[in-house]
Amino acid sequence: GAGVSQSPSNKVTEKGKDVELRCDPISGHTALYWYRQSLGQGLEFLIYFQGNSAPDKSGLPSDRFSAERTGGSVSTLTIQRTQQEDSAVYLCASRRQGYSYNEQFFGPGTRLTVL
Amino acid sequence: AQSVTQLDSHVSVSEGTPVLLRCNYSSSYSPSLFWYVQHPNKGLQLLLKYTSAATLVKGINGFEAEFKKSETSFHLTKPSAHMSDAAEYFCVVSPPSGNTPLVFGKGTRLSVIA
Repeated sequence: GAGVSQSPSNKVTEKGKDVELRCDPISGHTALYWYRQSLGQGLEFLIYFQGNSAPDKSGLPSDRFSAERTGGSVSTLTIQRTQQEDSAVYLCASRRQGYSYNEQFFGPGTRLTVL
Repeated sequence: AQSVTQLDSHVSVSEGTPVLLRCNYSSSYSPSLFWYVQHPNKGLQLLLKYTSAATLVKGINGFEAEFKKSETSFHLTKPSAHMSDAAEYFCVVSPPSGNTPLVFGKGTRLSVIA
């Protein structure tokens, strides 16, 4: 079956513009996660959804970052007034409910470059 | 709280020689542990997972890892490196269940020399 998909694969934007990143999880996966991978860094957790609600937003770095999920499926991560330090690869992962361990399946990521 | 320390940021081996990527974890309860691999410009792929069953875990592409509670370690090994193993490897810890985010180590870049 299809894996996690993300779009666009690459996004170049100018400082101060807003961007939207999209994640399509594996069908039937109820949990969805956003992570950020900056150059030379590990993966940094941003936000997690269970269904359409986000019980853990603790990783969002500022109020310029927001995310939503609709229909328990597609999620959008929005970054307003982008800054150069937002440049990173944004990864989405999903997890199937009912598994006793936390195996997450990752998409290929969106590489964001802020000029 | 949980954390992961990957002891080497870069490991270089010759093709055909053994690979050892070191990982130590800290967790206040019995964790699940994972190794993920990321090839250049690719997404993360699960190599193997430890979920409190067997302490020696076998994964894809000939990799394996051993969970050692007394040493709080989960080192990744492979008997013979292949050129295609060159990638970034991440050790990851998670509580044994639940929807919590994964905690990643900073990664180890594996280079394989012909």
